[in-house]
Amino acid sequence: DVKVTQSSRYLVKRTGEKVFLECVQDMDHENMFWYRQDPGLGLRLIYFSYDVKMKEKGDIPEGYSVSREKKERFSLILESASTNQTSMYLCASSFPDEGNQPQHFGDGTRLSIL
Amino acid sequence: AQTVTQSQPEMSVQEAETVTLSCTYDTSESDYYLFWYKQPPSRQMILVIRQEAYKQQNATENRFSVNFQKAAKSFSLKISDSQLGDAAMYFCAYGSYSGTYKYIFGTGTRLKVLA
Repeated sequence: DVKVTQSSRYLVKRTGEKVFLECVQDMDHENMFWYRQDPGLGLRLIYFSYDVKMKEKGDIPEGYSVSREKKERFSLILESASTNQTSMYLCASSFPDEGNQPQHFGDGTRLSIL
Repeated sequence: AQTVTQSQPEMSVQEAETVTLSCTYDTSESDYYLFWYKQPPSRQMILVIRQEAYKQQNATENRFSVNFQKAAKSFSLKISDSQLGDAAMYFCAYGSYSGTYKYIFGTGTRLKVLA
């Protein structure tokens, strides 16, 4: 079975901290995604990576950056955490087949910024 | 800009009955994909079904099928013979590439299955 592993299920940080969310997939997928999920807003794409060191901004990249140094790992970085970044963060991966859609999701990281 | 709208925040269905979840979208692209995802409570999101816009035939996956009306920009999900395990949040999503990748999710419909 494909496994997408997010490093933490729950995380509490303080405003101004630099926060790292890690995601690892074990299926050699080229595509990896970071979404945030908020009630009433659905999922919103933060960043998408289609290969090592390649990235594209999604709909809400402000305040975030990403790193993809190895194919299996895609990191989301909150440069200076703020309370409005409190959310559920979902990582996903997929092969670049038709549609390039996110196929396999992790369990999510519920991040609270105090 | 592309949008995806799910106008039903919550729906209920009796076990063994059929339910249809609605989704409309807006795009000026001619080549795109549409998806339905299922997110059970406290569990991982999974891809339920996918439809390529250039295909006229509606996609089906076991008890799940879609009604894709391209001209009306409508993409509804029908669940037949509903089971208790179908209770979840369902998200409609859109994907396309025209220079940049676009993946847009709707706000979701929570489906309750009544025994």
